[in-house]
Amino acid sequence: QSALTQPRSVSGSPGQSVSISCTGTSNDVGNYNLVSWYQQHPGKAPKLMIFDVYKRPSGVPDRFSGSKSGNTASLTISGLQAEDEADYYCCSYAGSYTAVFGGGTQLTVL
Amino acid sequence: QVQLVQSGAEVKKPGASVRLSCTGSGYTFSNHYIHWVRQAPGQGLEWMGIMNPSGGRPTFAQKFQGRVTMTRATSANSVSLELSSLIFEDTAVYYCARVHLQDDDWSGCDAWGQGTLVTVSS
Repeated sequence: QSALTQPRSVSGSPGQSVSISCTGTSNDVGNYNLVSWYQQHPGKAPKLMIFDVYKRPSGVPDRFSGSKSGNTASLTISGLQAEDEADYYCCSYAGSYTAVFGGGTQLTVL
Repeated sequence: QVQLVQSGAEVKKPGASVRLSCTGSGYTFSNHYIHWVRQAPGQGLEWMGIMNPSGGRPTFAQKFQGRVTMTRATSANSVSLELSSLIFEDTAVYYCARVHLQDDDWSGCDAWGQGTLVTVSS
């Protein structure tokens, strides 16, 4: 299956909000509420930020939120902070007991 | 605390096989599915497969069919990934990751191993 489509980069100033989109198809994002989002800092393992489209694991600030409309899921980060600068990846169940990641988005905090 | 510890870095020649291990602690290992994900240098995450440490047949991404094996050793709280017929493009950091919710397979991975760097070089 093809990778989900994410913008290569987004940026925002401290305190602002940014959104990262993740576009798939009716075979993955559009058909299942099983989208997760990961934050990855350089040289580190990914960290789960959102699962099941909008749910936050304990310990993840409520500045991070997720949503989905049709074949596109989104991660929104409000009140941007310097430590939010990282790469972000979406992941979706893709049927037949498989999953697919997005290509990743580099978030720069200006 | 929940922890996944992976085996050390490997250097392999093209055509060889590599076997990676992932050992869990701090939780009931058999209750959480394990995903394997890899990341080539400077590239994004790539999903490889999923397995249930309690049993059942693992499922792999189509591109790895025929080249990958995932096995479990629940008595040792560990799982292994074996990738055969290595090519240069298999050079990557390989991660094991635990699914967030018990007895669930797709609710995201909340604990990750430290990663194992596999370098394929002649």
